[in-house]
Amino acid sequence: GAVVSQHPSWVICKSGTSVKIECRSLDFQATTMFWYRQFPKQSLMLMATSNEGSKATYEQGVEKDKFLINHASLTLSTLTVTSAHPEDSSFYICSSVPGQGADTEAFFGQGTRLTVV
Amino acid sequence: SQKIEQNSEALNIQEGKTATLTCNYTNYSPAYLQWYRQDPGRGPVFLLLIRENEKEKRKERLKVTFDTTLKQSLFHITASQPADSATYLCALGGGRRALTFGSGTRLQVQP
Repeated sequence: GAVVSQHPSWVICKSGTSVKIECRSLDFQATTMFWYRQFPKQSLMLMATSNEGSKATYEQGVEKDKFLINHASLTLSTLTVTSAHPEDSSFYICSSVPGQGADTEAFFGQGTRLTVV
Repeated sequence: SQKIEQNSEALNIQEGKTATLTCNYTNYSPAYLQWYRQDPGRGPVFLLLIRENEKEKRKERLKVTFDTTLKQSLFHITASQPADSATYLCALGGGRRALTFGSGTRLQVQP
């Protein structure tokens, strides 16, 4: 199956600093990339949808100036958590779908555990 | 509003038994429904997709049913093994649209 590689798998940062998370599609062109956040014992919640070459669409309640998404190429999307605070500590996961079909399985990155201290 | 519910937060069963997980949805008319497995600290992994015109789908020890009248999907793991222990998520949407996930059921298979 298709491979989505996410890096880093975990990061600890100080409050007020920024963290960048990379998500790469290794063997397909990811026209659309989805970014999710998962808090402990909860399900994945969609944060934003990014389309290559255009601005990301953010879900209600997600601050676009805080969670900067760049999808400059068909194989790379990045999420930057700016001025991180302890409440941003979470598990961040990217996902994409190869091909054009609507009923196609999604492939997920390994996830990034962000801890803000 | 649209809602997806997985009734059991956790399910404990003995090895060799069949695990049955439930997913109910409201205010959706999905053309298909998906099931994913998530291990701790990892991203979800696709298991099965079932379309609205399919009553049942199987893959090795896995079986999924889809009842669009009841707005429910059942996910079965037969001859369960400790290695099947994980969180199982049902999801709607997909393709160019993001997935919306249920809350997940954490399955623990005891040896």
